[in-house]
Amino acid sequence: DARVTQTPRHKVTEMGQEVTMRCQPILGHNTVFWYRQTMMQGLELLAYFRNRAPLDDSGMPKDRFSAEMPDATLATLKIQPSEPRDSAVYFCASGPGQGGNTIYFGEGSWLTVV
Amino acid sequence: GNSVTQMEGPVTLSEEAFLTINCTYTATGYPSLFWYVQYPGEGLQLLLKATKADDKGSNKGFEATYRKETTSFHLEKGSVQVSDSAVYFCALLPGGNTPLVFGKGTRLSVIA
Repeated sequence: DARVTQTPRHKVTEMGQEVTMRCQPILGHNTVFWYRQTMMQGLELLAYFRNRAPLDDSGMPKDRFSAEMPDATLATLKIQPSEPRDSAVYFCASGPGQGGNTIYFGEGSWLTVV
Repeated sequence: GNSVTQMEGPVTLSEEAFLTINCTYTATGYPSLFWYVQYPGEGLQLLLKATKADDKGSNKGFEATYRKETTSFHLEKGSVQVSDSAVYFCALLPGGNTPLVFGKGTRLSVIA
């Protein structure tokens, strides 16, 4: 059963620490998305990639966030330094990149910065 | 631009009640439309979708019809269960290289 895999599932860290979240997209999917979910803002698109190239990262705070795809099976989202306002659930999603096709979500990384 | 507006929650219903969650959209071109569901502590799962006007998506007793004339994609279920308690997101995919655009979500609580 193909699925998007995210690690870690849960992370508690202290302010100022570096946080790295990882995502393994579904094999064969060429489009990868990072979303952030909070009670106040709902779902926000942070960045997305097609064929490993970043297409849009305008939703991401550039000074502390970075997103990369080192290879087709791994996407990373890094926060350095982390702040309490970064506490949220971070979702990775992948899709086959064709119009009308479904985007599949991972279970999310639940981040708490204290 | 592209946007999705769905009804504010929370919605609280008794078991076996009829459910409607309204969703309207603004889009350029001919988007595909989706409903995703998020159960507590989990990620979003696709519930149903429709890719062109007048298409009806259906799954697990839920239905939604793509209405181009009213730019709507309302979610309905004839008889809800406690297990349907979740947050429901309406979304549109504009096409091309643009990603999904989500509504803010509607929390549904079904009580026995």
